[in-house]
Amino acid sequence: GNSVTQMEGPVTLSEEAFLTINCTYTATGYPSLFWYVQYPGEGLQLLLKATKADDKGSNKGFEATYRKETTSFHLEKGSVQVSDSAVYFCALKAGGSQGNLIFGKGTKLSVKP
Amino acid sequence: AAGVIQSPRHLIKEKRETATLKCYPIPRHDTVYWYQQGPGQDPQFLISFYEKMQSDKGSIPDRFSAQQFSDYHSELNMSSLELGDSALYFCASSPITHNEQFFGPGTRLTVL
Repeated sequence: GNSVTQMEGPVTLSEEAFLTINCTYTATGYPSLFWYVQYPGEGLQLLLKATKADDKGSNKGFEATYRKETTSFHLEKGSVQVSDSAVYFCALKAGGSQGNLIFGKGTKLSVKP
Repeated sequence: AAGVIQSPRHLIKEKRETATLKCYPIPRHDTVYWYQQGPGQDPQFLISFYEKMQSDKGSIPDRFSAQQFSDYHSELNMSSLELGDSALYFCASSPITHNEQFFGPGTRLTVL
């Protein structure tokens, strides 16, 4: 079946450090891939997405590239800020536009000043 | 821009009681999804509706039911509540032509 595997946290970084959160997936067909962010006490916000192989999603300095050959969608940011502290979820959507999202376990990021 | 509205935001119930959660999708979004997120867990898909018909079903207990109304809002009805039902319940909406789901702020249900 479809699944998402995310690197486990928590991840603690100093401000301006480089961030990578690994995400790999298993899916039949050609899923769409997403990164969602959840700030403390809040709902899920879409951070970025990619719908086909080699697509690069980017937003707010975050980037992720859809790699079909390695079934990966790693999240990166060159210089994190304290305000980036949150839980990050990798997710896939299979089965067309009506398909539900399948999430990874989430990675908690803490950025220290 | 209009967002997904969920009510109530917080709900406290006793075991074996019932609860109704409401979701108002973004205007012109015809698909609604319900997810359950336990403490420290990833969101799990419960059920979805497209044009007022159930379109997919995930790990929704038989004690739960849901529907989508003519104005596209949706309600999740939960009966015989158990302690393990304590969780954040998210609603998301999407237009059928779109891959992206937009999440509401969630309803935090606490069962005592």
